[in-house]
Amino acid sequence: KNEVEQSPQNLTAQEGEFITINCSYSVGISALHWLQQHPGGGIVSLFMLSSGKKKHGRLIATINIQEKHSSLHITASHPRDSAVYICAVTPVLGTSYGKLTFGQGTILTVHP
Amino acid sequence: DGGITQSPKYLFRKEGQNVTLSCEQNLNHDAMYWYRQDPGQGLRLIYYSQIVNDFQKGDIAEGYSVSREKKESFPLTVTSAQKNPTAFYLCASLGYGYTFGSGTRLTVV
Repeated sequence: KNEVEQSPQNLTAQEGEFITINCSYSVGISALHWLQQHPGGGIVSLFMLSSGKKKHGRLIATINIQEKHSSLHITASHPRDSAVYICAVTPVLGTSYGKLTFGQGTILTVHP
Repeated sequence: DGGITQSPKYLFRKEGQNVTLSCEQNLNHDAMYWYRQDPGQGLRLIYYSQIVNDFQKGDIAEGYSVSREKKESFPLTVTSAQKNPTAFYLCASLGYGYTFGSGTRLTVV
């Protein structure tokens, strides 16, 4: 079983819909990251979370440390949000310095 | 603007040849990482370096080599010993948060 599991693997939405992508992990972490990968391949870091909730524009990320679960929400989705969204975790400090463990990614397609 | 530059974006090589992928950063970050991405799989760590002149193997280091002679540069060599080198390679560095390069897509024919 992977240490980081994302769901769903594929997600199709209509423009304007509210979107949720889920991430569960099984290891102790110091931080959880949400990343966005566009078709060209480059990756952009969206959020780094260690507790609670963060918001940036139409994107909201939450984390529940006790349940080892995080969600990424996109409000009022737009076709330009179409990308692969990747959840990654940083292990507890002192082990494997800074190494990220990645989920398999969620492919999001938003239709006009 | 600060960032990571990976070059080239696309690379084609014949089987049996070594090839070196470039990664340069101007962020003054100490830690740098190389990841490999295959279709349908999460990124996997090849090598990482915490400081100049030091680097550690990641989960899939066999068939790869790296050097870290300068803080700004962390090149990755894909050797002929790597059994399945065709993949997408991403370089990253760590400061307050992670910064990723735009990647190099290597195809071995």
